[in-house]
Amino acid sequence: DTEVTQTPKHLVMGMTNKKSLKCEQHMGHRAMYWYKQKAKKPPELMFVYSYEKLSINESVPSRFSPECPNSSLLNLHLHALQPEDSALYLCASSQVLGLLKDTQYFGPGTRLTVL
Amino acid sequence: DAKTTQPPSMDCAEGRAANLPCNHSTISGNEYVYWYRQIHSQGPQYIIHGLKNNETNEMASLIITEDRKSSTLILPHATLRDTAVYYCIVRVAPIIQGAQKLVFGQGTRLTINP
Repeated sequence: DTEVTQTPKHLVMGMTNKKSLKCEQHMGHRAMYWYKQKAKKPPELMFVYSYEKLSINESVPSRFSPECPNSSLLNLHLHALQPEDSALYLCASSQVLGLLKDTQYFGPGTRLTVL
Repeated sequence: DAKTTQPPSMDCAEGRAANLPCNHSTISGNEYVYWYRQIHSQGPQYIIHGLKNNETNEMASLIITEDRKSSTLILPHATLRDTAVYYCIVRVAPIIQGAQKLVFGQGTRLTINP
């Protein structure tokens, strides 16, 4: 199984709402990632978890709160978002290796619209 | 990580070989070249990577010049399903255990025409 699943596929929320995005993988990967992708732009890294610990935060605003409850799950909690946060949110996972083959597997993304 | 330069768009006829160039003139000796692609409305997909030798897998071939300042991704028999944005990424392979950090450039939008 080389699949990363993300739910929901689409999400519309108001600026005062609290919502969560969910990502799951069963490949035994111990690194998981959140990316944000605006229309016609490349993906931009937001957070990296390694062994369920936050290892990289790319200066993301606190209205985005990641959580890694176990090695298979990654959540992104959203609160008080702005319309400019509307984007495709991608989750990815990878092995944590010091050797050559360290590719990332991406999910299909959650398309978020903030009204 | 070294910066990459790719043409913004390319066209290729179905059934022909698609050759996508990438310049990475500031690449260091320990930096690898990775290729990912993103089909519309999907997450990026790993294609291939290499250090200095040419590489081939079931999806594509990667040709890296001897001075390593540029590379070419080759899709040998392009199909309509290969229409996507192709990203060339140069990064350092981790020498200790740790999660990777991919920095995507603007990529090349490849259109396969029937």
